[in-house]
Amino acid sequence: DAGVIQSPRHEVTEMGQEVTLRCKPISGHDYLFWYRQTMMRGLELLIYFNNNVPIDDSGMPEDRFSAKMPNASFSTLKIQPSEPRDSAVYFCASILWEATEAFFGQGTRLTVV
Amino acid sequence: GNSVTQMEGPVTLSEEAFLTINCTYTATGYPSLFWYVQYPGEGLQLLLKATKADDKGSNKGFEATYRKETTSFHLEKGSVQVSDSAVYFCALRAITGGFKTIFGAGTRLFVKA
Repeated sequence: DAGVIQSPRHEVTEMGQEVTLRCKPISGHDYLFWYRQTMMRGLELLIYFNNNVPIDDSGMPEDRFSAKMPNASFSTLKIQPSEPRDSAVYFCASILWEATEAFFGQGTRLTVV
Repeated sequence: GNSVTQMEGPVTLSEEAFLTINCTYTATGYPSLFWYVQYPGEGLQLLLKATKADDKGSNKGFEATYRKETTSFHLEKGSVQVSDSAVYFCALRAITGGFKTIFGAGTRLFVKA
């Protein structure tokens, strides 16, 4: 398996634009997590899914952020409208089942100017 | 709620020095504990894990022992190499936290030749 695949690797966009980040988890994994990493706040869990169903979105910073998982092999994180303070590295991770470790993608570095 | 506290960095060591990065946790029940490593420009990778008290996780010369009495999971390596320079994250997952992986703030390690 190729691991967790995220796209794009880098995204530069202007303030106010819509941004969509994509993630393909490892095949067969039941859980998918979206994290945001910044120098100031470290790794923050935004939302996670179990069997494509959102379980906890309490980490989503505000209504500008939304996430979907239409099927077991694809998830998106959308920011609309984007703001400079959204600049961060966004990671997707998947887990096979509860007791196992998370496998991370390489992240999307988002810069909002 | 569940939480992880790890020593602040950066930690700077000379090659072949002994490494300890302290990690303590707060959780109800019996969490699984993990150490992840992040190299520059990459996502997090699992370094080692322990799923029950007194278990010792080990990998690539690193080790950590799950100490329930002190709620600790300190990372150690007897002789570090320049290639060990990275950010290290302590993490836990517990059923009481809905199986979310909770990360510490990360500790940056620099190893000088």
